[in-house]
Amino acid sequence: QQQVKQSPQSLIVQKGGISIINCAYENTAFDYFPWYQQFPGKGPALLIAIRPDVSEKKEGRFTISFNKSAKQFSLHIMDSQPGDSATYFCAARARNKLVFGAGTILRVKS
Amino acid sequence: DTGVSQDPRHKITKRGQNVTFRCDPISEHNRLYWYRQTLGQGPEFLTYFQNEAQLEKSRLLSDRFSAERPKGSFSTLEIQRTEQGDSAMYLCASSYQQGKAFFGQGTRLTVV
Repeated sequence: QQQVKQSPQSLIVQKGGISIINCAYENTAFDYFPWYQQFPGKGPALLIAIRPDVSEKKEGRFTISFNKSAKQFSLHIMDSQPGDSATYFCAARARNKLVFGAGTILRVKS
Repeated sequence: DTGVSQDPRHKITKRGQNVTFRCDPISEHNRLYWYRQTLGQGPEFLTYFQNEAQLEKSRLLSDRFSAERPKGSFSTLEIQRTEQGDSAMYLCASSYQQGKAFFGQGTRLTVV
């Protein structure tokens, strides 16, 4: 019940395209859903986050869509750029700790 | 640099040795977290502190692991009698209350 399932495992997108990463959860106690970006050898960097009372949040080229009834949320990266090539993790918070998905390796081809 | 700072960045140790890592959180953050990340996986929660109090520990944190946060500032994570299975990236994060959590660059531990 503590798991967050993330898909796809890897994703290749053309420059300028839309990257979409999906996550699903079971635990209704999760109250906060962040997305992190991680480059090789670096720590995860917070990208954008959403609370379950909001269905969508947009910051620049990054948008989170949240479907509370389906217990699913997704990250959309608009106008994807080669510099966006990284590993993306969704996460969910319950009782002061984050539970992470397994990650999606995104490659944006120029 | 006002981010979360971790030291060392890399540590290679022989099996059976003890190692200690340090984390300096963002100065106004009262919460500090330790996570472990193995290759190809997301970070897994180990423990967290609110100020100097260690409030939660994961079952992943065996009795060979100990963490401290004296005076509610920096934190140390010690692993005693290291095993090859301890090889991982150890990540520290901090937040103010339940606000956004910011991660450090991590300490990459290799046990040989």
